[in-house]
Amino acid sequence: LAKTTQPVSMDSYEGQEVNITCSHNNIATNDYITWYQQFPSQGPRFIIQGYKTKVTNEVASLFIPADRKSSTLSLPRVSLSDTAVYYCLVGDTLTTSGTYKYIFGTGTRLKVLA
Amino acid sequence: DADVTQTPRNRITKTGKRIMLECSQTKGHDRMYWYRQDPGLGLRLIYYSFDVKDINKGEISDGYSVSRQAQAKFSLSLESAIPNQTALYFCATSDSGGTNTEAFFGQGTRLTVV
Repeated sequence: LAKTTQPVSMDSYEGQEVNITCSHNNIATNDYITWYQQFPSQGPRFIIQGYKTKVTNEVASLFIPADRKSSTLSLPRVSLSDTAVYYCLVGDTLTTSGTYKYIFGTGTRLKVLA
Repeated sequence: DADVTQTPRNRITKTGKRIMLECSQTKGHDRMYWYRQDPGLGLRLIYYSFDVKDINKGEISDGYSVSRQAQAKFSLSLESAIPNQTALYFCATSDSGGTNTEAFFGQGTRLTVV
């Protein structure tokens, strides 16, 4: 499974755009990139998934360069309630064995300040 | 009602006791997972099951066992609890096949071994 590297922590102010970058140098051809958000004492919650280029949904955007060795989660205009830990996961859903096991790293602890 | 339900939500047990954590889901998913999370750290995979007849060890399976009683139920047992198994435990489910990598997590079980 591809290993991911993220910054340990980040601070931002309300209303700013936050970009969290994840490095996954040994990503495989069939691997998807997924981001989760976790609040204290709660289970992680899916934010966004992508394979290449850019994906956008109602809460975030995911930018993936052509070489796919990194990805950037972009949170527009953060609020205090976006304070959480953000995890980047990489895995393959397409093999016949379906080996996407959701291996989490230590994540990025985002603190949004007023 | 929650799609993924864990019981109990909190439990204090003594060293050496056997304890079972239960997880049930109404998502109709084939795949289920058990994780533990220690303070300030990411989630670590204990066991996972891709269908009722399939059980696999994760990153940290020693000291744990699981049972997949039905598609909707996946139980985690600590045969002889020890203090360093004190942690927050999460159950998760995901769909099989396709390219959707979204997993759904329960509310967590906070286990304290004294």
